[in-house]
Amino acid sequence: GAVVSQHPSWVICKSGTSVKIECRSLDFQATTMFWYRQFPKQSLMLMATSNEGSKATYEQGVEKDKFLINHASLTLSTLTVTSAHPEDSSFYICSASGLAGGPSDTQYFGPGTRLTVL
Amino acid sequence: QKEVEQNSGPLSVPEGAIASLNCTYSDRGSQSFFWYRQYSGKSPELIMSIYSNGDKEDGRFTAQLNKASQYVSLLIRDSQPSDSATYLCAVNRRGAQKLVFGQGTRLTINP
Repeated sequence: GAVVSQHPSWVICKSGTSVKIECRSLDFQATTMFWYRQFPKQSLMLMATSNEGSKATYEQGVEKDKFLINHASLTLSTLTVTSAHPEDSSFYICSASGLAGGPSDTQYFGPGTRLTVL
Repeated sequence: QKEVEQNSGPLSVPEGAIASLNCTYSDRGSQSFFWYRQYSGKSPELIMSIYSNGDKEDGRFTAQLNKASQYVSLLIRDSQPSDSATYLCAVNRRGAQKLVFGQGTRLTINP
């Protein structure tokens, strides 16, 4: 149980275009979803926290107009990187917590999406 | 002082031995503690969670929590080369939704 999927697993796009990444909880209701970014050989960096039906809470230094997060249902959250630039190239990982059969604060991670902006 | 501290390693352990990973945290209000394993190029995978003082065992893994000393550890018995990964300690403060992660300890099991 507690499976989280992400789509796509990798994406290559041109500079200036927008990219949408989906995060789904497959077998539980995710009341809260989190979006992280990780650069090579660095730690996870939390970008934002989203609760179903509410606006996301962004971490300091993360541009909310550039990284649009939507959490419209208990099983789906999306991250849209708008007007992507090469410096946005990174490994984007979502996690979900909620009604997964265990403590509600346990985060289960998706497999990640590798974004490359040319 | 970082909120969650781990020795970044690398920690090298011979195959079959016990690997011991340590983590300290600064917020006494922390209530939930997690160990994640992250293979290179992959996302973190939950190994164990622990909430009460003492030991919690799951297969070859044992998590230990000492709230008075503000540390949490992970023991891996009978270490295997497949255990080679970065191990992330994460802490959840009371009332908070988000986890605070340590920088991770890179573990290498030598055959």
